[in-house]
Amino acid sequence: DTAVSQTPKYLVTQMGNDKSIKCEQNLGHDTMYWYKQDSKKFLKIMFSYNNKELIINETVPNRFSPKSPDKAHLNLHINSLELGDSAVYFCASSTTGAGVGTGELFFGEGSRLTVL
Amino acid sequence: KNEVEQSPQNLTAQEGEFITINCSYSVGISALHWLQQHPGGGIVSLFMLSSGKKKHGRLIATINIQEKHSSLHITASHPRDSAVYICAAKPRGGNKLVFGAGTILRVKS
Repeated sequence: DTAVSQTPKYLVTQMGNDKSIKCEQNLGHDTMYWYKQDSKKFLKIMFSYNNKELIINETVPNRFSPKSPDKAHLNLHINSLELGDSAVYFCASSTTGAGVGTGELFFGEGSRLTVL
Repeated sequence: KNEVEQSPQNLTAQEGEFITINCSYSVGISALHWLQQHPGGGIVSLFMLSSGKKKHGRLIATINIQEKHSSLHITASHPRDSAVYICAAKPRGGNKLVFGAGTILRVKS
């Protein structure tokens, strides 16, 4: 019974394509996140939503667009994929910690995106 | 210079050894997280703490707010502890984590 699930786990695609990664959590958390992990394993926040409202929007290309249809889902859509977008993308959720986010984080298994 | 620094970057230990991973940060924080990532695997939250010490099984995390320093200890280390350990600090008043670069731990049998 996976707490945070993201699909697909692996995604191989050509430059210029548009792709989406979906994320769902069944923990009842009100805050969800997208993180990018580069080849050096460094984690960087991309977006965060609290109760469907965007609260963190880091400096990422506007080819990346998050969508949160409800507080249990946060999807990531990427337009016009580039080679540099190849990375592992992690979805996570938390309760609202001190300030808005982040309480203890629960991560999905990651989606490895390879752009050829 | 990253606001969150971890040391060592790489650590190799023999099974059974006591292990310490350090994390220093330069800003005032409201919480500090320790995360574990196994090779090719997902990320698991080990601890979230804002003061004192927490223990879970063979893992202990401590934090000294005045010295802006946290440590993760593993007692009686085992090869299955081999993973990347990441600390992340939540700056006071902020709503996002600042991550360290991670410590790659390898425990040999």
